[in-house]
Amino acid sequence: KNQVEQSPQSLIILEGKNCTLQCNYTVSPFSNLRWYKQDTGRGPVSLTIMTFSENTKSNGRYTATLDADTKQSSLHITASQLSDSASYICVVGPREANNLFFGTGTRLTVIP
Amino acid sequence: ETGVTQTPRHLVMGMTNKKSLKCEQHLGHNAMYWYKQSAKKPLELMFVYNFKEQTENNSVPSRFSPECPNSSHLFLHLHTLQPEDSALYLCASSQETGTISTDTQYFGPGTRLTVL
Repeated sequence: KNQVEQSPQSLIILEGKNCTLQCNYTVSPFSNLRWYKQDTGRGPVSLTIMTFSENTKSNGRYTATLDADTKQSSLHITASQLSDSASYICVVGPREANNLFFGTGTRLTVIP
Repeated sequence: ETGVTQTPRHLVMGMTNKKSLKCEQHLGHNAMYWYKQSAKKPLELMFVYNFKEQTENNSVPSRFSPECPNSSHLFLHLHTLQPEDSALYLCASSQETGTISTDTQYFGPGTRLTVL
């Protein structure tokens, strides 16, 4: 079983609407959590990085939240644009292992 | 662009062919990584190089052979691959010490590999 689960697997929204993507993890002890955006045919690009002591981080219209007690994170996208169409990947870094745990991603499609 | 380039962007090869993937980073980083991304699966870390030395090999079959001649270049040599090796192969680099769990990694665009 993957230690990072993302939901939904895919999502279609209208341009201008908001949406929230979810990430649940079991990695413990945990050091940091990142959200990446991956456009089709491109490599992932980092959006936000949060340590275990942070509970929110913003990058423009992207806002990530973290609840380390419940091991949940969300990525909220405000006023979506067509260019937000991409896969969004949640990645968790453990504190005591030299590794990263990747989710399978949420495929977001923004339609006009 | 992220400062990490990969060539070729697309590759189709037969199971008996030998080919190589190339990655170059223009960021002055010390660590470089190879990942495999298959459809509907999480990214899989394959190899890690830190200051040209391999520090991680996540049980990757020997038909994949990495090479890191210097801290800016990374190759993945391929031979006698299987159809299930078809995937997007991503290269990444990071500035810090190659501590995977904390370094910020910058990814290249990937090579889409198809094995017939």
